[in-house]
Amino acid sequence: GNSVTQMEGPVTLSEEAFLTINCTYTATGYPSLFWYVQYPGEGLQLLLKATKADDKGSNKGFEATYRKETTSFHLEKGSVQVSDSAVYFCALIMDSNYQLIWGAGTKLIIKP
Amino acid sequence: AAGVIQSPRHLIKEKRETATLKCYPIPRHDTVYWYQQGPGQDPQFLISFYEKMQSDKGSIPDRFSAQQFSDYHSELNMSSLELGDSALYFCASSWGTGANVLTFGAGSRLTVL
Repeated sequence: GNSVTQMEGPVTLSEEAFLTINCTYTATGYPSLFWYVQYPGEGLQLLLKATKADDKGSNKGFEATYRKETTSFHLEKGSVQVSDSAVYFCALIMDSNYQLIWGAGTKLIIKP
Repeated sequence: AAGVIQSPRHLIKEKRETATLKCYPIPRHDTVYWYQQGPGQDPQFLISFYEKMQSDKGSIPDRFSAQQFSDYHSELNMSSLELGDSALYFCASSWGTGANVLTFGAGSRLTVL
């Protein structure tokens, strides 16, 4: 069946460090891929998305590239800030039937 | 920035009672989706609305109904509640149809006792 696997947290980094949060997926068909972020006390927000292979989603300095050959959608940021501390969720949606699969979430802690 | 607002965040009901969940989409979003996520399960698509009309139907039980109003907010009505209805109910919204631009709310947790 379809699934999303993302790296376990918490991930703790110092400010200005390089960030990678790994996400791999298993899907029969062609999903759209997403990263969502949940800041403390807030709801889920769409961070970025990619709808087909080799697409790169980007927002707020974050990037992720849809890699069909490695079935991955790793989230990266060159220089993190304390305000990036949040829980990050990788997800896929099958456009054919709206099936939505969430990763378990990765808590990111950025220390000044 | 405005997000998808769901209310209530938590709801406790007894078996055979009725519950209503509300979803307020992002301004100018015209499509609303409802998902149900049981404990330890993947979210299941229930139903979606585009421009106040049902646009797609998933695994929504007959005891549930939903509608989208003129201001684009949506309500999910659940009757004759069963223990198995205890779940997290997510609402998402988008501009236009197509599942690839969804923004999700924080969810409403329903507990049926």
